[in-house]
Amino acid sequence: ETGVTQTPRHLVMGMTNKKSLKCEQHLGHNAMYWYKQSAKKPLELMFVYSLEERVENNSVPSRFSPECPNSSHLFLHLHTLQPEDSALYLCASSQEAGGTETQYFGPGTRLLVL
Amino acid sequence: AQKVTQAQTEISVVEKEDVTLDCVYETRDTTYYLFWYKQPPSGELVFLIRRNSFDEQNEISGRYSWNFQKSTSSFNFTITASQVVDSAVYFCALSVEDNFNKFYFGSGTKLNVKP
Repeated sequence: ETGVTQTPRHLVMGMTNKKSLKCEQHLGHNAMYWYKQSAKKPLELMFVYSLEERVENNSVPSRFSPECPNSSHLFLHLHTLQPEDSALYLCASSQEAGGTETQYFGPGTRLLVL
Repeated sequence: AQKVTQAQTEISVVEKEDVTLDCVYETRDTTYYLFWYKQPPSGELVFLIRRNSFDEQNEISGRYSWNFQKSTSSFNFTITASQVVDSAVYFCALSVEDNFNKFYFGSGTKLNVKP
């Protein structure tokens, strides 16, 4: 079952490029999340959206710009990234954002910034 | 403040051995949930279990079992008769109410099961 899908799965970009990561959930959930997973570091929560409204932003640099046009889709727009932004970017969804719901994750996008 | 500690960075076992992955959590909330996820090399975090703070009953699902002990703030995960397909990184996570469903993840334990 592919409840949460992410595209692309792999991305290589230069520091001056602009790219977007896409996430789609097919679970009928109302909350979506972006996480960053760097080598040898804990998972970092970047953004939380509930019913298309951003409810949490964990001091993420402005070169990362999220967009949630509806409850099924979530984007992460990238521009002028740094090499230290290379990581696995994971999208997740849950039924709601206000409780302690199980989060279901996508396969991630492996990003390499040159 | 919430915190999850997985002290075992990496464990190697031979197939068919039992293995226990430790998880210790910290929270002052009385209502909280604990989770385990499996991350195979493909990258996706696969949900394994969710347990609330009021349910200390141990749970068994096939070769997987979980031991929740509030007295020691631990939620340990045991794989019985391990298999090569169990090789992955396993994450323990904590969530408390009224915090936008924010998960506090441990740093993960990498399990290597050798044939």
